[in-house]
Order: sequence, then C-alpha cells, then structure tokens
Amino acid sequence: NAGVMQNPRHLVRRRGQEARLRCSPMKGHSHVYWYRQLPEEGLKFMVYLQKENIIDESGMPKERFSAEFPKEGPSILRIQQVVRGDSAAYFCASSPRSTNEKLFFGSGTQLSVL
Amino acid sequence: GQQVMQIPQYQHVQEGEDFTTYCNSSTTLSNIQWYKQRPGGHPVFLIQLVKSGEVKKQKRLTFQFGEAKKNSSLHITATQTTDVGTYFCAGGYSNYQLIWGAGTKLIIKP
Repeated sequence: NAGVMQNPRHLVRRRGQEARLRCSPMKGHSHVYWYRQLPEEGLKFMVYLQKENIIDESGMPKERFSAEFPKEGPSILRIQQVVRGDSAAYFCASSPRSTNEKLFFGSGTQLSVL
Repeated sequence: GQQVMQIPQYQHVQEGEDFTTYCNSSTTLSNIQWYKQRPGGHPVFLIQLVKSGEVKKQKRLTFQFGEAKKNSSLHITATQTTDVGTYFCAGGYSNYQLIWGAGTKLIIKP
C-alpha cells in the first residue's frame, strides 16, 4: 500500500517561471492538504481539497498560487511567476475523512527559486 | 484567531536525559495530535488525544491532554539518538482544521 506520493522531490526554477507540484494521496483517501515549511519553522497550512472541490484556501496567497484535485489524477499545487520568497519545502498530506484524523504526509517537494 | 503556542523552540539534552515539550491553545480543542519530523524528513503521526485529562504512553513517550483541553505535553524518558528531530503538536478545532505549533527541536549533545 503506497503512501502519499509527491513529485518531484526537488524542483529548481528561475524567477518568473512556473512551478507545478504533484501529490497522489494514499489509496482510499479523498482529502488532501498542502502545507509550506521554511527552514527551522513549522508547517503553514495553505489549502484543503476534496475531490474536485476546494474546501479551504485561506492559507494560500490569492495571487500566483492555485490548487486543484481533479476527479482523476493527482492534486496539483501551481505557483506562477515564482519569486525567491517561494523557496520552501511543500508538503502534501492526505486523510480518509474530513474529521480530525491523522494525516499521512508525503516526502515533500523542495522548491528552490534562483 | 486560534493559535497553538509550543515551547521550547529548542531543547539540548545529553543522551539519557529526559525531554519535554508543551503546547497551549487559546481556545478549547476538540483533539490534539503529535507528529515527529526527522531532519530532512516529513512529519510522521505519533498519536491523537481526544479526551479531557487523557494520558497515553508509547514506550518511552508519554502524552498528556489537559483537563480543559487547552494544553498538552509530550515527555520522552531517557532520550536516545533515534529521538532526534522536531516534535510538532497540532490542535484540532473543527471538522478538519488543524492549527500547528511551531515545533520543538530535540538536539542530543555529543
């Protein structure tokens, strides 16, 4: 039973390019959460999605950032026109239900903006 | 808004000493979860506490949830090198919302 799969593990982009981060939740999980983590800091909530729906995007900047979780395929976190301040580790987590249950995290994508 | 304060930010201990991290919420929690993140790794779920005054143990780890469901602690007895990492608490407030503490980094002195 594969865990939460994130790819790529490392992503290097130049300023102004687009970054696409992918997350496949655990089998049977239809709830996905995206978090951002800066070095030596905690996890900052970005967005919570269920299949085909964004439930809460209150932690995600209004501009340049978007997320989706289509009926088929992985969840995508998209960052347009990246800036150096977007450099961080982005973690995806999944759970089977919407109530407070334990989250299963992927290994993360380390985004570096040159 | 809701906040979860976690202290200390860092704790340096000699191997074999005990370690404790504390979390406090400004409002009552529905539950609290604890996660461990090894250096360079991802958060891994340790435990969830739901009941007021609950105490749970996992080998050398003891987790407590306060009577008012606003605070929690994680205590590790006789730390080992494998305990190194950052320990996060995450407080549950609604159906899905978790508010994360900033984490306590456990460092074993050489």
